[in-house]
Amino acid sequence: QVQLQESGPGLVKPSETLSLTCTVSGGSVSNGSSYWTWIRQSPGTGLEWIGYIYYSGNTNYNPSLKSRVTISGDTSKNQFSLKLTSLTTADTAIYYCARGPGWGSIDSWGQGTLVTVSS
Amino acid sequence: DIQMTQSPSTLSASVGDRVTITCRASQTIGTWMAWYQQKPGKAPKLLLYKASSLQSGVPSRFSGSGSGTEFTLTISSLQPEDFATYYCQQYNSYLWTFGQGTKVEIK
Repeated sequence: QVQLQESGPGLVKPSETLSLTCTVSGGSVSNGSSYWTWIRQSPGTGLEWIGYIYYSGNTNYNPSLKSRVTISGDTSKNQFSLKLTSLTTADTAIYYCARGPGWGSIDSWGQGTLVTVSS
Repeated sequence: DIQMTQSPSTLSASVGDRVTITCRASQTIGTWMAWYQQKPGKAPKLLLYKASSLQSGVPSRFSGSGSGTEFTLTISSLQPEDFATYYCQQYNSYLWTFGQGTKVEIK
């Protein structure tokens, strides 16, 4: 049973960069066929897929966020991370890290971490 | 982008009722559809994938059907633990998108 845990700041200032890390246990980020994913949820926009890093290291991002997003992996720590730049209040949301065992559907989720963008 | 439209937005039902939620895609997605259940303060939970495949551990009262642009999630006999919000998700394209959610409330 794969378990995921997000970590990072709960409060970030506008224009700054958000950095979140997801620690994976019970599975490996270098496991073949897994898509390690970031999703966020806010009352205004519902569930929004941010992007994923494939086990091979390939990445894919939501075009609406692509210019501001980087997802990377660290196999030595069995973690993957999200960086989101140039934050605005619209980026306030619960951020989830998650795993897709294959293309598309997501079977394992972290508990989520609330990130508030405010000065 | 492929837009996903769920209906209804809210559904009031009683324990034992048969419940159906619909999700329409703005363009054809084959059977690349998943359904999730989310309870307050919790992460979503995968119920079905590939439109009709039941995720391991999910009760058989949940079923899914459809292909192309129209899909349904059916709960055959609503149980107290099923009151929650349900989301559809398409993964036909490289941009995965979710429906806006259907909240199932106690009647």
